[in-house]
Amino acid sequence: GAVVSQHPSWVICKSGTSVKIECRSLDFQATTMFWYRQFPKQSLMLMATSNEGSKATYEQGVEKDKFLINHASLTLSTLTVTSAHPEDSSFYICSAPDVGVGGPTYNEQFFGPGTRLTVL
Amino acid sequence: KQEVTQIPAALSVPEGENLVLNCSFTDSAIYNLQWFRQDPGKGLTSLLLIQSSQREQTSGRLNASLDKSSGRSTLYIAASQPGDSATYLCAVNQAGTALIFGKGTTLSVSS
Repeated sequence: GAVVSQHPSWVICKSGTSVKIECRSLDFQATTMFWYRQFPKQSLMLMATSNEGSKATYEQGVEKDKFLINHASLTLSTLTVTSAHPEDSSFYICSAPDVGVGGPTYNEQFFGPGTRLTVL
Repeated sequence: KQEVTQIPAALSVPEGENLVLNCSFTDSAIYNLQWFRQDPGKGLTSLLLIQSSQREQTSGRLNASLDKSSGRSTLYIAASQPGDSATYLCAVNQAGTALIFGKGTTLSVSS
């Protein structure tokens, strides 16, 4: 199956600093990637949809100026948490759909291994 | 708005038991449904993908069924093992959108 990688797998930073998380599709092209956030003992919640070559679409309640998304190529999307605060500590995970034959049918979605962010 | 519910939230069974995890969704207009496994502090492992036109999928000791019209899916685990202990997540795909997840069922299998 398709492989999605994330880097870093974990990061600890001081409050007020910015952190960049990379999501890469290793063996397929992804015009769309999704960013999720998971707080302890909670399920995954969609933060934003990253579209190659255009602006990301953010879910209600997600600050677009705080969570900057760049999808500059067909294999890479980055999420930058700007001026991170302790409440941003969470597990961030990206996914990319496998575009089926005949068009963007969003068949199976492949997930990266996630990034654990801890803000002190 | 699509909502996904998983019951039970937690389940403890002795090794060897067969068990069923339930997932329900409010909008039957889905493209497919995926079951995932998540170990503590880890990412997601895809277990089974059921297309909307399918009734079930099987992989080893796992069998997932889908009743799209009633908005229900079940994950059947046969002969459970301690290594099956994890959180199992159900997620639906409405074409063109990201997956919508349930809160998961945390399974504990004792030896």
